[in-house]
Amino acid sequence: GDSVTQTEGQVTVSESKSLIINCTYSTTSIAYPNLFWYVRYPGEGLQLLLKVITAGQKGSSRGFEATYNKETTSFHLQKASVQESDSAVYYCALGDLGYQNFYFGKGTSLTVIP
Amino acid sequence: EAAVTQSPRNKVTVTGGNVTLSCRQTNSHNYMYWYRQDTGHGLRLIHYSYGAGNLQIGDVPDGYKATRTTQEDFFLLLELASPSQTSLYFCASSGQPNYAEQFFGPGTRLTVL
Repeated sequence: GDSVTQTEGQVTVSESKSLIINCTYSTTSIAYPNLFWYVRYPGEGLQLLLKVITAGQKGSSRGFEATYNKETTSFHLQKASVQESDSAVYYCALGDLGYQNFYFGKGTSLTVIP
Repeated sequence: EAAVTQSPRNKVTVTGGNVTLSCRQTNSHNYMYWYRQDTGHGLRLIHYSYGAGNLQIGDVPDGYKATRTTQEDFFLLLELASPSQTSLYFCASSGQPNYAEQFFGPGTRLTVL
C-alpha cells in the first residue's frame, strides 16, 4: 500500500537550535511520487512549505530544507536554527502528479522554546 | 485574497443535529476534498470530487454526505451528528498543472455535544 510515516508526534526545541523531523514513505501504486511538507500555524489552514517532485533533489523554503531520498524512501525536514515563530504542526505528504492518490503523515507538532 | 474559504469557522451542535459545512474555491481547480483532522490521526479523507455533480468516497465516509454544486462550491453534510464527529474539518482543492499539490482552507471546528 501507500503511506507516510512521521515517527514524532511532538517535538520541543530551544530557539536557535537545529531541527530534524523524520518522514518516510512507502508506495506501491505511485510511479513518480511527489513529496511535500505542509505547515499549519495555530488557527490557520495548511500551507505548502516545500515540495520536491524529482528523486535526489532538495527543496527549501523559509530556512527549511528536505531532500527526496529514493534509496531510503525518506524526506526528512531540517532547519539549522529554529525560531519561536516556527512553532506549528508539520505534515509530510506523498502525492502523484496526475492522479488523486494523496497521503498525509500524522503530523509533528513543533514547539520552540524561547 | 484567500483562494479556499470555509464557513462557518466554528460550529456547535447537539447529537442528532443537522450540520452543513461549506467550502468555496476560486482557484479554478477541478478537484475538491473534505478532510477531518484529529490528534494522532493526521488528516483523513472523507469525500472528494472532480467536478460539479461528481462525488467520490474517501477513507472515512461513514456518517457524512457531500455535494458539489458548482466547480467552486463543495458542501459536507452531517445529517445526524454524533459526538465522534467532533473534529477540525479542512477543505482543499487541486488542479493543473500539478494535481498532487493541494490548497487548503482555514478549517472549521465542529463540536457535537
